[in-house]
Amino acid sequence: GDSVTQTEGLVTLTEGLPVMLNCTYQTIYSNAFLFWYVHYLNESPWLLLRSSTDNKRTEHQGFHATLHKSSSSFHLQKSSAQLSDSALYYCALSETSGGSNYKLTFGKGTLLTVTP
Amino acid sequence: DPKIIQKPKYLVAVTGSEKILICEQYLGHNAMYWYRQSAKKPLEFMFSYSYQKLMDNQTASSRFQPQSSKKNHLDLQITALKPDDSATYFCASSPHWGGNYAEQFFGPGTRLTVL
Repeated sequence: GDSVTQTEGLVTLTEGLPVMLNCTYQTIYSNAFLFWYVHYLNESPWLLLRSSTDNKRTEHQGFHATLHKSSSSFHLQKSSAQLSDSALYYCALSETSGGSNYKLTFGKGTLLTVTP
Repeated sequence: DPKIIQKPKYLVAVTGSEKILICEQYLGHNAMYWYRQSAKKPLEFMFSYSYQKLMDNQTASSRFQPQSSKKNHLDLQITALKPDDSATYFCASSPHWGGNYAEQFFGPGTRLTVL
């Protein structure tokens, strides 16, 4: 089945440094729909970015990611980390199988902690 | 105002008992889902519903039974609870089922601990 592998565990950064959270995926289907969800403590997870277009950069709230189907990657980046970016980040893949199934397959999550 | 309500926020149960996790969404969505997050594991898809009809079940155990009494409700009944069922259970919804690019909106979760 589908799977998502992302930078595991804890990533600690100093404020102002660039953010790079890796995400690679495996799917047997040619159409890949990739998402980044962010989960702040005591809040609900919510959608940060999504893409299905190969080699096109997508941006939101200072974060960006580019889907590269050749390398099955969808890395999350930001030029300068802020304290408020501290959260749990999930990369997710939407499964498509001719419309008979529709579910998100999540990676294990990366806890980003930004320090002053 | 919260758009997806999950109740209770925290739940402690004893092994062998039965509990119902409540989920209500006020987004006007037609599709609803349940996900589970156990310790040190990713969010794991459990069920999807569309117009109160079960569309997909990825949960092996029949102890987990979703219940949809209204279009905007999708409760989760868990019977014969086991310690391994301890997890945070997230309810989610999307405008329609079957759109791979659609955003799913998540509730705050119910953290279940089975002793």
